[in-house]
Amino acid sequence: QVVLTQSPSASASLGASVQLTCTLSSGHYNYAIAWHQQQPDKGPRYLMKLNSDGSHTKGDGIPDRFSGSSSGTARYLTISSLQSEDEADYYCQTWDSYWVFGGGTKLTVL
Amino acid sequence: QVQLLESGPGLVKPSETLSLTCTVSGGSISPYYWSWIRQPPGKGLEYIGYVHYSGSTNYNPSLVRRVTISVDTSKNHFSLKLTSVTAADTAVYYCARARTGTDIDYWGQGTLVTVSS
Repeated sequence: QVVLTQSPSASASLGASVQLTCTLSSGHYNYAIAWHQQQPDKGPRYLMKLNSDGSHTKGDGIPDRFSGSSSGTARYLTISSLQSEDEADYYCQTWDSYWVFGGGTKLTVL
Repeated sequence: QVQLLESGPGLVKPSETLSLTCTVSGGSISPYYWSWIRQPPGKGLEYIGYVHYSGSTNYNPSLVRRVTISVDTSKNHFSLKLTSVTAADTAVYYCARARTGTDIDYWGQGTLVTVSS
C-alpha cells in the first residue's frame, strides 16, 4: 500500500513563493495525487489533481498562484505571491486499494 | 455549484452506532463516488470509505469491520454508519465527492461527533 510523507511545517514571507512536498513511498513513482487546502477552522478545499508527468487540473476558482509539478516520487505544490489567506494546512491524497492521505503540512505566512 | 451538507447527532454514547447523512445539492448523485473522511481534534485527515452511485463500496481496512456506507439516489443523499464507537472515534466527519474513484473534488463543511457517556 502506498504511503504519503509530508513535512509537518513550512514558512515563507508574504509575497514570496513556497514549495510544499509530498513524497510517495518507494516504487510508486507513477501515482497521481491530489492537493487539498484546509484553512483554520474550515473544511478542506480541493486545489488540484497532479499527475506523475507534472500535468495538473485545478479545482473551480483556484488562482493561478497555485501550481503543481512532479519529479520521481515527489509531488510539489508551489504557491507564488503568498497572501495571508494561504496560511493553512495542506494535505496530499492518493489512491491505491483504498484512499490515503499524507500527514499534512502547516504553512505559516510570515 | 455542488454543495454537500452533513447531518446527524453530535453526541454518541460509547458502544453505540454513529449515523450520519450527507445531502447533495446542486448536482446529481450519479455518476460519482461519495465518501466519508474524518479528522480527530488537532490531527490529520483519515479516509473512512466511499460508495459509488451504483452501490459498490470501498473501505479503510482499519475500519472495515465497523463501517457501512450506503447511497439513496432517490433522495440525493448517502449515509455513514459506524458501529461500536469509542472515544477514539471522536472527530469532525466530512463527506466528499470524487469524479472517479480517485481525487476528491468537493468537500462538505464537516460535523463534529463526540463519543461520550
